[in-house]
Amino acid sequence: AQSVTQLDSQVPVFEEAPVELRCNYSSSVSVYLFWYVQYPNQGLQLLLKYLSGSTLVKGINGFEAEFNKSQTSFHLRKPSVHISDTAEYFCAVSLNSGYALNFGKGTSLLVTP
Amino acid sequence: KAGVTQTPRYLIKTRGQQVTLSCSPISGHRSVSWYQQTPGQGLQFLFEYFSETQRNKGNFPGRFSGRQFSNSRSEMNVSTLELGDSALYLCASSLVGQQYNEQFFGPGTRLTVL
Repeated sequence: AQSVTQLDSQVPVFEEAPVELRCNYSSSVSVYLFWYVQYPNQGLQLLLKYLSGSTLVKGINGFEAEFNKSQTSFHLRKPSVHISDTAEYFCAVSLNSGYALNFGKGTSLLVTP
Repeated sequence: KAGVTQTPRYLIKTRGQQVTLSCSPISGHRSVSWYQQTPGQGLQFLFEYFSETQRNKGNFPGRFSGRQFSNSRSEMNVSTLELGDSALYLCASSLVGQQYNEQFFGPGTRLTVL
């Protein structure tokens, strides 16, 4: 079975500073990897995904993530955050074409002026 | 194109009752998945339906069930509600037949069990 660990439950950061949200996974087989964002009182929105190929993945809103197979990590980064990036971020894995997503516990990103 | 819609958005029930939640997928999407989100357990996969058949199932008791209709709309039912069933229930729909099928999430139904 696969599992996801998000190492930080909360990440406070100042506006325009860089941020990294950490995600590690465990799986004995190849997986698909995802980052989702959830704004208050809303559903989940896909930020980016890794299926195969280039290990550096670019997503929406200036976010990117790097797949590291040897470290089984898929950390999310943004070089300069905005107040509007304040939200809950979830890392997820899937074995089967994107269905049956297995989520991490989430990281709450709080951006302050 | 309209997004995934879930009804009702909020629901209050008492222990022992049962509840039915509804999800209308994006037009043309034939797969519907359900997730439970709680502060303690986070986001957990319940089940996935395609062509009116349950194709994938998470680790939940039999009190949680679902179905899908011929128009791809889906319902999930929770019988004999427990306090721990209080959660945000999210529905997601996706196309089928590609290597990867992005899931589009609805806003959720917030269920409170008293």
